[in-house]
Parts: sequence; structure tokens; C-alpha cells
Amino acid sequence: QAQLRESGPGLVKPSETLSLTCTVSGASISSFYWSWIRQPPGKGLEWIGYIYNRGSPNYNPSLKSRVTISPDTSKNQFSLKVNSVTAADSAVYYCARLLTGATIHYFDLWGQGALVTVSS
Amino acid sequence: DIQMTQSPSSLSASVGDRVTMTCRASQSIRAYLNWYQQKPGKAPNLLIYAASSLQNGVPSRFGGSGSGTDFTLTISGLQPEDFATYYCQQSFSTPLTFGGGTKVEI
Repeated sequence: QAQLRESGPGLVKPSETLSLTCTVSGASISSFYWSWIRQPPGKGLEWIGYIYNRGSPNYNPSLKSRVTISPDTSKNQFSLKVNSVTAADSAVYYCARLLTGATIHYFDLWGQGALVTVSS
Repeated sequence: DIQMTQSPSSLSASVGDRVTMTCRASQSIRAYLNWYQQKPGKAPNLLIYAASSLQNGVPSRFGGSGSGTDFTLTISGLQPEDFATYYCQQSFSTPLTFGGGTKVEI
């Protein structure tokens, strides 16, 4: 069974860059779509974007200007960077696998989540 | 963007009850609709994909139905471990979007 684990700083200052890494075990990141999703405390889920192998990432337009998702196939990891963060970016950030097919697209595996707080 | 609206936002139920919650899309999403269960402090867990297909390992008391814009998640015989928040999510088009959730409480 594949597993995902998020890692990175839990505290980021306003206007700086949030950086997280998702380490994947039991599956190759070259073979699936991989995504980031976030959840502000007490609120709902927001899809950030996904990557597939070395193809072009697909980002949520609401965050597109500030977000970069990139793979590191040598480490079987993928990362998230969010620039110019504000308090509104404080959330639990999840990495997840997006399974896709002719008529199916769903998040079947999730990391445990990483809480990131934006504060000075 | 496709907006997903869940109702009710919360409901009270008892063990053994049959529980139904709905999810409505702002436009047709055919059957590209998934349901997740989330417990406090945990990641969401996939229950139903493609509107009505049960994910491996999910108890058969969970069932999904619908197509187009209106979808339903039913729990037949609520168990103590089912008290959680349930989210629908459309995968018809990007940006992928989630509903606001339905919290099932005692």
C-alpha cells in the first residue's frame, strides 16, 4: 500500500514563501497524478493543483499566480511552494494521489496533513 | 468554476438510523462525483467514486447515487464510527472543487 508524508516548516512569516514536500513510498511519482489540497482550520477543502510526471502542472486559478508544484523523481517526492503568503494561507496542507481513468478521477490516497501557520 | 453545494450542513442522528445527505453541482458533472469521510484531525478518506462505486474496503452500508447535478450519499444503519464530516467533490473539470461538507453528529 502506497503511503504519502508531508514535511516542512510549520510556521511561515507573512510575505515569505511556504514550502512543503510530499514523500511517496510504495508507488512511483512518475506513474500517477499527484496533488496538493489545503484546509483552513475549521473550514472546507480547497484543491491547489496537480502534476503528472514531467508534464505541465494544473493549478487552481485562485492560486495560480503564487503556486508552484514540482516533482523530484530521484527522491520520489513532489513539492509545493506558495509565494507571498498571508494569514489566509494558514491551513492544513495535504498531498494526495489522484487516480484517473476514462470515467474516473478521485483522490484515493492522502498524507496525514501538515499544519502551516502564517504569522510574524 | 463548478460550485458544489451540500445539504444539510449538519444533521443529528442516532446509531442505527438511515442517513441521507445531498450534493448539488452548479452544472452537469455527469457521474464525476466522489464522496469522502473526514474525522477530526485526520485526512479525508474516499468512500464513493464515480457517484455510486464503493471504494475497496468501505462498508456496504455506504451508498451513492445520482448523475448530472444532483447526488445523494446514504448511510444505511449508522454506526458509532460514522460520526464525521462528509464532503462531495467533482472531478468533471478543473479547478476540482469540494462541497462545504455535511457534519453528522449524535
